[in-house]
Formats: sequence, C-alpha cells, structure tokens
Amino acid sequence: AQSVTQLGSHVSVSEGALVLLRCNYSSSVPPYLFWYVQYPNQGLQLLLKYTSAATLVKGINGFEAEFKKSETSFHLTKPSAHMSDAAEYFCAVSDQGTYKYIFGTGTRLKVLA
Amino acid sequence: DAGITQSPRHKVTETGTPVTLRCHQTENHRYMYWYRQDPGHGLRLIHYSYGVKDTDKGEVSDGYSVSRSKTEDFLLTLESATSSQTSVYFCAISESKSSGRPEQFFGPGTRLTVL
Repeated sequence: AQSVTQLGSHVSVSEGALVLLRCNYSSSVPPYLFWYVQYPNQGLQLLLKYTSAATLVKGINGFEAEFKKSETSFHLTKPSAHMSDAAEYFCAVSDQGTYKYIFGTGTRLKVLA
Repeated sequence: DAGITQSPRHKVTETGTPVTLRCHQTENHRYMYWYRQDPGHGLRLIHYSYGVKDTDKGEVSDGYSVSRSKTEDFLLTLESATSSQTSVYFCAISESKSSGRPEQFFGPGTRLTVL
C-alpha cells in the first residue's frame, strides 16, 4: 500500500534562511503528489501539486517542490523564510486509479526572528 | 474559496452517545471525504464518497458510518462515541478529471470532544 513519509515533525529556520521540508513516497509507480499548508485552527489549503508536466513545480507564497523519481521524493523548498510561513505542512499522494489521498504526518515549521 | 461548510464546528459529548457531523458543499463536486486529524498522525481517511449513495472505507473506518443522499451533503456518524474518537474532523471535496488529479478542498473542521 502507498505510504508517505515526512522526515522531521518539527523544523526551525531563521527568518531569511532556506526552508527545506522532506517528503518521500513508497510506490514504484509515481503517484500524484501534493503539498498543503495548515495555519492554526484552519483547514488545509493547497500549496502546489505535481502534474507530470514538469519536475520542478512552483506554488503559492514562493514555495516550490522538485519531483525526483529516482529518489521517490517530492521535497518542498523556499529560498527565504518569512515569519508568515510558520504553519504545519503536509505532503499527500494519490495513486493512479484511485481517488484516495494519503497524507504524511506533517511537519510543523517554526520561523525564528 | 471552495464552498464547504461543516457543522457543528465544536461539539462536546459523552461516551456512548451518537454523534452526526455534517459536511455541505456548494461546488457540485463528485468526491467527498472525511478525515480525522490527530497529533503525530497527520490526516487519516475515515470514509469517502464517489457519488450519491456510493461510499467506501478509509484506513480508520471502525466505529464510523457515512451517508450521502444528495450531492451536496456528506454525513459522518459515530454510532456510540468513545474517548478515542476525540479529534478534529475535516471534510474535503474534489472533482474528477479526464487527466491529471485534482486537488482537494478542505472545510474548516469540527472539533469533537468525547468525555
């Protein structure tokens, strides 16, 4: 069965520093891949999604993610962290042939002044 | 923003009582989902629906049932609530596409406490 691993349940970065949040999936057939963000006491909202058109995907708020099939990874990055980026981030996958979505356990990002 | 509402937004109940949570959408999307969110577990799928009266189990379906009699409404029922079902419940919707995979849109969540 498909699974998603997010390494690091908590990540702290300084304001202006690079943000790197890791996501690995398990299947040999590349699934559909998504990153969502959740601000306190809110639902999740889409940051970006991998559609197979390009391996580097740009999302909202300056985030981007690179799909690497050889590493079964879809890591999320942002060149310069802002205080407003503090939130919880979830990686999700959906296998072809199913409309189920599997979520990782989340990474809480803290941005230090 | 996608038109998804959840009711109630907060509920406190006692062990053994039945509870029904409602998800309502105005987007006419085909797929609807119920998740629970718990610290350290992320979001886990409880049940989902792929059309009116068409539902299927997710990874944590024990103790939960669902119904979808109209496109816009997806109900989640805890027949006899237990303390282990204390959680934040999210509804999500998505639409089918001929190619690619659409993202999900999430409701604001329902915080349920079972005493």
